[in-house]
Amino acid sequence: EDKVVQSPLSLVVHEGDTVTLNCSYEVTNFRSLLWYKQEKKAPTFLFMLTSSGIEKKSGRLSSILDKKELFSILNITATQTGDSAIYLCAPLGSAAGNKLTFGGGTRVLVKP
Amino acid sequence: GAGVSQSPSNKVTEKGKDVELRCDPISGHTALYWYRQRLGQGLEFLIYFQGNSAPDKSGLPSDRFSAERTGESVSTLTIQRTQQEDSAVYLCASSPRTVGYEQYFGPGTRLTVT
Repeated sequence: EDKVVQSPLSLVVHEGDTVTLNCSYEVTNFRSLLWYKQEKKAPTFLFMLTSSGIEKKSGRLSSILDKKELFSILNITATQTGDSAIYLCAPLGSAAGNKLTFGGGTRVLVKP
Repeated sequence: GAGVSQSPSNKVTEKGKDVELRCDPISGHTALYWYRQRLGQGLEFLIYFQGNSAPDKSGLPSDRFSAERTGESVSTLTIQRTQQEDSAVYLCASSPRTVGYEQYFGPGTRLTVT
């Protein structure tokens, strides 16, 4: 059975801080790992990571994958109140068909 | 362009009634997924459609749940004889291909069973 563990469960920071979110996984026949941001209902896609050690960046967000140690990190620098959300990690493995197994998420609250 | 749309956005129903939720995927997306998210919990996979292939129903929690999709268009998720534990947000997602491609989520339907 595929497993995904995200940490921390939640954190509170102030604007300008940097946050690091962790995602560890056990997935049969790993293909890629996706990060999503969920503010209200619909998660919005952030990154898809397939290769180890290659950092993906989008503005203040960046993410990297370590396929040997089976984890991924999502970093947010110079946080803003609009970054407050639940961040979801979802590895994709071929043994599970094509359905994503989502972690429980990390709830981030950025205070002004 | 238009994203994934779902209707209704909110649905309140009495225990024991049937409900039908609708999802319109992004045009041209061959794969469609249904997820459930209970309050304070993560996303739970329900069912996946890919073109005209047999759907992957491995996530459906009971035989009260069913879903249909005609070709690569609209999908409906039906819950029969609703129970209070069915209360959740039901999210639909579509993707242009199936293997390793990002899924685009709709706004969800919040179902409340009283």
